[in-house]
Amino acid sequence: NAGVMQNPRHLVRRRGQEARLRCSPMKGHSHVYWYRQLPEEGLKFMVYLQKENIIDESGMPKERFSAEFPKEGPSILRIQQVVRGDSAAYFCASSPESGYSYNEQFFGPGTRLTVL
Amino acid sequence: RKEVEQDPGPFNVPEGATVAFNCTYSNSASQSFFWYRQDCRKEPKLLMSVYSSGNEDGRFTAQLNRASQYISLLIRDSKLSDSATYLCVVNEIIRGGGNKLTFGTGTQLKVEL
Repeated sequence: NAGVMQNPRHLVRRRGQEARLRCSPMKGHSHVYWYRQLPEEGLKFMVYLQKENIIDESGMPKERFSAEFPKEGPSILRIQQVVRGDSAAYFCASSPESGYSYNEQFFGPGTRLTVL
Repeated sequence: RKEVEQDPGPFNVPEGATVAFNCTYSNSASQSFFWYRQDCRKEPKLLMSVYSSGNEDGRFTAQLNRASQYISLLIRDSKLSDSATYLCVVNEIIRGGGNKLTFGTGTQLKVEL
């Protein structure tokens, strides 16, 4: 059973360009989460999605950031008009459907975004 | 005040030492607690869950004090391979049955010969 997959692993963009980060959850997992880790900081929750639905996006910046998890295909985190402050590691995690509070989230290897 | 606070370290200890990490959290609605391990900015990996009764997994012991909102991790007989950053994590169940994890900034451990 393959783990959570993310691509690309490294992404370089110039200011003003768009960044698209992809995440394929583990097989059988219907819950996807995106987290951001800025340099020298902890991981911060961004958004929680289920298939075709954004459930909680309370951690997403109000502008330029969007996420989706379509019926078919990977979850996408999209950052429009990137700025240097968007440089960070973006981790995706997935978990099976459950209301259990000790439900483990499995993390992908992350995408390291560098904005020049 | 940060939601989850940890001493950033680094803790430099010799092989075989016992080392303890502490963590405090501010959200009394937090429902479950974990220690994750992160190596060199790679993805975090679950080390162990933390239960109110305390729990042990080999050389690792975790304790939770809900009244004080305090979590601890004890590592006995440290190995070189234990060198990593240890992340204190609290969880809140959110709508849709999801789990919103809040991470501390981590405590760095370096185990030396």
